[in-house]
Order: sequence, then C-alpha cells, then structure tokens
Amino acid sequence: SQQGEEDPQALSIQEGENATMNCSYKTSINNLQWYRQNSGRGLVHLILIRSNEREKHSGRLRVTLDTSKKSSSLLITASRAADTASYFCFRWTGSYQLTFGKGTKLSVIP
Amino acid sequence: DTGVSQDPRHKITKRGQNVTFRCDPISEHNRLYWYRQTLGQGPEFLTYFQNEAQLEKSRLLSDRFSAERPKGSFSTLEIQRTEQGDSAMYLCASSLEVGSLSTDTQYFGPGTRLTVL
Repeated sequence: SQQGEEDPQALSIQEGENATMNCSYKTSINNLQWYRQNSGRGLVHLILIRSNEREKHSGRLRVTLDTSKKSSSLLITASRAADTASYFCFRWTGSYQLTFGKGTKLSVIP
Repeated sequence: DTGVSQDPRHKITKRGQNVTFRCDPISEHNRLYWYRQTLGQGPEFLTYFQNEAQLEKSRLLSDRFSAERPKGSFSTLEIQRTEQGDSAMYLCASSLEVGSLSTDTQYFGPGTRLTVL
C-alpha cells in the first residue's frame, strides 16, 4: 500500500497562475523527491529535498519540507500549459520500501 | 541518449501464460528498480537491485513474480501464470548510489504495458 498522499488529487488552473500541491507521509525520511509524469515523457525527476533542508528552489519550482508535520509542498510558479501532468512525491520509508503517493493531477488551461 | 530502455513496450497475453520483460539501465548505474503502475495510481514498488543482488522485494509481490539481474547490468522481470489483475504498466528505473541507504535520483524507462486477456 502507499503511505501518505498528495493533496489535492486534482487541480485545474489558468496559465500564469501558481499551483501548489502537498504531500504528507507517516515515517521518517532521509529525503523526499517530486516527480512529474505525463504521457509524452513518462516519469521525470524534478527536485529532491533532504531532511535537514527546509526549502529548495529549481527554476519555477519551490519545494518546502516540514519534518515535524511530516509534510512537503511543491509550488509551481507562473504555470504553463506544458506543466499539465501528474505530480508525485516519493520517499524511502523503512525496511527498504520505496513509496510514491497517488499523485496530484494538474491541468493548466491556456 | 543512453537512458533507461525497456522491452517490449507493449505485451498482450492470455491468462495463464508467462511473460518476461527486460530493462536496460543507464550503464554506470548500480541500482535498478521495478515498479508497477495502474491507471490513476502512483507507481507501486516491486523490487530493487544493488548491482546483481536483489536487496528487497515488496511484501505485496506474489510468488508468481521473479526478477533477476545476473551480471549487474540488465534485468528481467518474469510473471508466471498471468492473471487479469496483472494488467498494468511495469516501470523500470535506475540510479547511481554510493554508500547510502537512501535513493537519490531515479531515471525511469518508458515502461512495458501488459494486458492480460
């Protein structure tokens, strides 16, 4: 079973707006990663944040991590139609289990 | 571009048949992972290898599933006596890990879509 979930499950915004999605988890982590999946390019790694980091930026992406709340958020600024995809958080939980959430399906309307 | 490749890309089989998928990771990567993904769900971890050693297998994985990575390079995933519930996208990924228990960036292949009739 998959531990933790992304929220919301689906998000629809206009091009140019910001998109925020959240990920919660249950066990301690060494790092948390975000991946994007669309039909054209499959699963692609976006950004990794380590447990001793609180915020990280990469281009239009901003990730935060709150280990006390066991949650992370991914912010995409100035969204584009090409950002339309499903976004998954990934973490390595105990006993060598590698876990993806169910994902947030983002639709960016031109 | 020498990314992760998977073969075949699509496989249609009848229930009860055996199927085998192949994954070729990025050449210098020492870790290789298999996931299964059904529509509307995130990838579900199946198993992973560090070089040729299979380090972990999901508790959810039936005994009908077996994976090998004989020389620490390519890997095969075999499903015996397929069932309709095995229909899914099977994803392979690889990464380069050095002295760490936690994964870093995984690079995914395009997947093999299995349909069991």
